[in-house]
Amino acid sequence: GAVVSQHPSWVICKSGTSVKIECRSLDFQATTMFWYRQFPKQSLMLMATSNEGSKATYEQGVEKDKFLINHASLTLSTLTVTSAHPEDSSFYICSARQGTGSSPLHFGNGTRLTVT
Amino acid sequence: AQSVTQLGSHVSVSEGALVLLRCNYSSSVPPYLFWYVQYPNQGLQLLLKYTSAATLVKGINGFEAEFKKSETSFHLTKPSAHMSDAAEYFCAVSGGSGTYKYIFGTGTRLKVLA
Repeated sequence: GAVVSQHPSWVICKSGTSVKIECRSLDFQATTMFWYRQFPKQSLMLMATSNEGSKATYEQGVEKDKFLINHASLTLSTLTVTSAHPEDSSFYICSARQGTGSSPLHFGNGTRLTVT
Repeated sequence: AQSVTQLGSHVSVSEGALVLLRCNYSSSVPPYLFWYVQYPNQGLQLLLKYTSAATLVKGINGFEAEFKKSETSFHLTKPSAHMSDAAEYFCAVSGGSGTYKYIFGTGTRLKVLA
């Protein structure tokens, strides 16, 4: 149980285009979803927290107009990287939680974004 | 505020040897603590969690961790390392009610030598 599906697993796009990444909780309803960015050989950097039906809460330094997050339902959240540039190339990971702070996060397998 | 410190960004052990990965936390509220494992180009998989029940927590793949409040530690151990244990390990802390963020440590890369 507690499977989170993230698509695509990798994507290559040209500079200036937009890319959408989907995160779905397959067998549970996620009250909260989190989007992380991971640089090579580094830890996870929290980008934003989203709750179903409300606007995402972005971490300091994360451009909300650049990284659009939509949490349309209790099982789906999307991250759109708008007008992507090479510096946006990274590994993006979503996670979902059912419940409060004592509930563990369940992670997707990540999306490797390369902007050329 | 909460924080997590993982001592040792790289740990090497011989196959069959004890694995010890260190994690110390700081939290102004009773913490919930987690260990995750990440294999290359994959997301994170939960190994175990502490949520104020038993202080010695057993997880998957033979791993366990002990919550020591006096030392503010939550070290991860495994009696005998396997080659398949080679991965990146992350310790994370989450707060009590009203504080839902997960704070991750910087990770420890475990290398298992044949």
